[in-house]
Amino acid sequence: ETGVTQTPRHLVMGMTNKKSLKCEQHLGHNAMYWYKQSAKKPLELMFVYNFKEQTENNSVPSRFSPECPNSSHLFLHLHTLQPEDSALYLCASSQVGNSGRGDTQYFGPGTRLTVL
Amino acid sequence: GQQLNQSPQSMFIQEGEDVSMNCTSSSIFNTWLWYKQDPGEGPVLLIALYKAGELTSNGRLTAQFGITRKDSFLNISASIPSDVGIYFCAGIHGSGNTGKLIFGQGTTLQVKP
Repeated sequence: ETGVTQTPRHLVMGMTNKKSLKCEQHLGHNAMYWYKQSAKKPLELMFVYNFKEQTENNSVPSRFSPECPNSSHLFLHLHTLQPEDSALYLCASSQVGNSGRGDTQYFGPGTRLTVL
Repeated sequence: GQQLNQSPQSMFIQEGEDVSMNCTSSSIFNTWLWYKQDPGEGPVLLIALYKAGELTSNGRLTAQFGITRKDSFLNISASIPSDVGIYFCAGIHGSGNTGKLIFGQGTTLQVKP
């Protein structure tokens, strides 16, 4: 499945590091999303971008900084993270404004992040 | 935040058996989605339902959008070992531009060969 790709697949970082996660969608969609998935918890929506504009920030700490330079690419910049931020970070995309079916989201494989 | 009630939380079944899981909500949804997630991977869309009462199949999988619009179920017939994984339901309240899925807690399925 190559519709939504994420890199890197695995990342280990210290609390003082700065790193970035990358997502790219090849589906021609106009909306992209970041989710956090921790063990034993439902997926948590972090950010939503529609047509490159951020439309949702779900009370995410400022140590997570998203960037959407165009409708195909989405980044999540990380700095001074905490060990509890260790999780699977998932990117998704959808085509909104499509006769009510626009919010069907397609997910990437995720980046497994470990903060030491 | 709001959640869907998904049950059962886990299932351990024999290969060849049929499986049924469901999601319920106190509020109405306009779309129901079912995803499967393998360990270390992202959720993969299995079935999307857009209309109350809709019954849709994808191979051995069948899902239905409840008439009340507050529930959905997923059935897997004649399970095989590769059906192992976590199954999530997700609902969308509005149509078009909301961009927000509400997820169930997931059903972990294990299949004994």
